[in-house]
Amino acid sequence: EVHLVESGGGLVQPGGSLRLSCAASGFTLNGYWINWVRQAPGKGLEWVANMNHDGSETYYVDSVKGRFTVSRDTAKNSLYLHMSSLRVEDAGIYYCATWLIWGQGTMVTVSS
Amino acid sequence: DVVMTQTPLSLSVTPGQSASFSCKSSQSLLRSDGKTYFYWYLQKAGQPPQVLIYEVSKRFSGVSDRFSGSGSGTDFTLKISRVEAEDVGVYYCMQSSQFPSFGQGTRLEIK
Repeated sequence: EVHLVESGGGLVQPGGSLRLSCAASGFTLNGYWINWVRQAPGKGLEWVANMNHDGSETYYVDSVKGRFTVSRDTAKNSLYLHMSSLRVEDAGIYYCATWLIWGQGTMVTVSS
Repeated sequence: DVVMTQTPLSLSVTPGQSASFSCKSSQSLLRSDGKTYFYWYLQKAGQPPQVLIYEVSKRFSGVSDRFSGSGSGTDFTLKISRVEAEDVGVYYCMQSSQFPSFGQGTRLEIK
């Protein structure tokens, strides 16, 4: 069975940093575009960033460019979202997804 | 950027009746490879989104045949026949033909 499992969320102060992880099981991340999507409390879904199937390309929504970076570790079959200079408006549940497969999400809280 | 607009924003349906959701994109979602990367999701309370339909009309594995997707270009529709209590939640459309974007969601409730 295929799964994506996110981890790394937590409470961070504005301006702080956090690294989210997305671990795949039952399939190999190679060969798939993997996306990060977030959902602010009580709000809709917002695409944040993605990485292409071979890891050669990454794309970001304008609001996180220069602050967030996607990377991956093929040996660990995992994708990461490095978040820095965090803002209150970055708070929410962060999901990783292939569009057909979604993880359960990890919560990021940005507060002083 | 592609803007996805869903209507209505909320829907109240009697069990056994049908429901229809609309999603319009600000640009055509047909790609040069002939595919249209358009999806419908259902997000139930406290859960991640679950895919119902991908590439406009393909039903994902395990999804009830009460759900059907149609459309092309910029206009897309999700229909649920014989609505059941378990269909309650927020329905989102999403496109990944260009930089991904979601609609604002349509909340379905049961009368």
